[in-house]
Amino acid sequence: NAGVTQTPKFQVLKTGQSMTLQCAQDMNHNSMYWYRQDPGMGLRLIYYSASEGTTDKGEVPNGYNVSRLNKREFSLRLESAAPSQTSVYFCASSEALLAGALGETQYFGPGTRLLVL
Amino acid sequence: AQSVTQLDSQVPVFEEAPVELRCNYSSSVSVYLFWYVQYPNQGLQLLLKYLSGSTLVKGINGFEAEFNKSQTSFHLRKPSVHISDTAEYFCAVSDYRSGAGSYQLTFGKGTKLSVIP
Repeated sequence: NAGVTQTPKFQVLKTGQSMTLQCAQDMNHNSMYWYRQDPGMGLRLIYYSASEGTTDKGEVPNGYNVSRLNKREFSLRLESAAPSQTSVYFCASSEALLAGALGETQYFGPGTRLLVL
Repeated sequence: AQSVTQLDSQVPVFEEAPVELRCNYSSSVSVYLFWYVQYPNQGLQLLLKYLSGSTLVKGINGFEAEFNKSQTSFHLRKPSVHISDTAEYFCAVSDYRSGAGSYQLTFGKGTKLSVIP
């Protein structure tokens, strides 16, 4: 039982390049989330998905797209990377049928460290 | 939307000494509060959460937190810290976003706990 896995662990991009961050969970969870973590800022929600085929914007969605490929996988795409997207990206999942339901515990992956030059 | 304030960005403490990490949130009719811990180069994991009932909540690794509605606080405490408690701690509140029609976690900016041998 691996929990939440993310690939790659590290990535360096040049401005304007694109890439996709992959996330998978093996806990049969319904909801999945993408956050970014910046020094002194805590975690901010980029996008989330309550179920396969549905996605919704979070607090900081600009410059990102997501795909909920199936119940297990939720990918985050940067179409044209910018230095402001340098960050650590975390994927999380929860059992809740309604994303963000009261009291739910979210389970986090180990993160992807992205540097955009 | 809720806001979460962690009053100390860094807290150094000697091993076996007690520690308190402070968290305040903006007022609401009802709140659901969490503490997550992030060990170096890892994702976040749940320490404890308050949903209802007893205002003193016990979590993993000997941590506990007290919900104080009148002071809108949810401070985290441990009576005797260990070197292995060195980590960053995040307070979070479950917040209903009317625009999104769902609850989302709002995180504080984090408190780095450094345990000194």
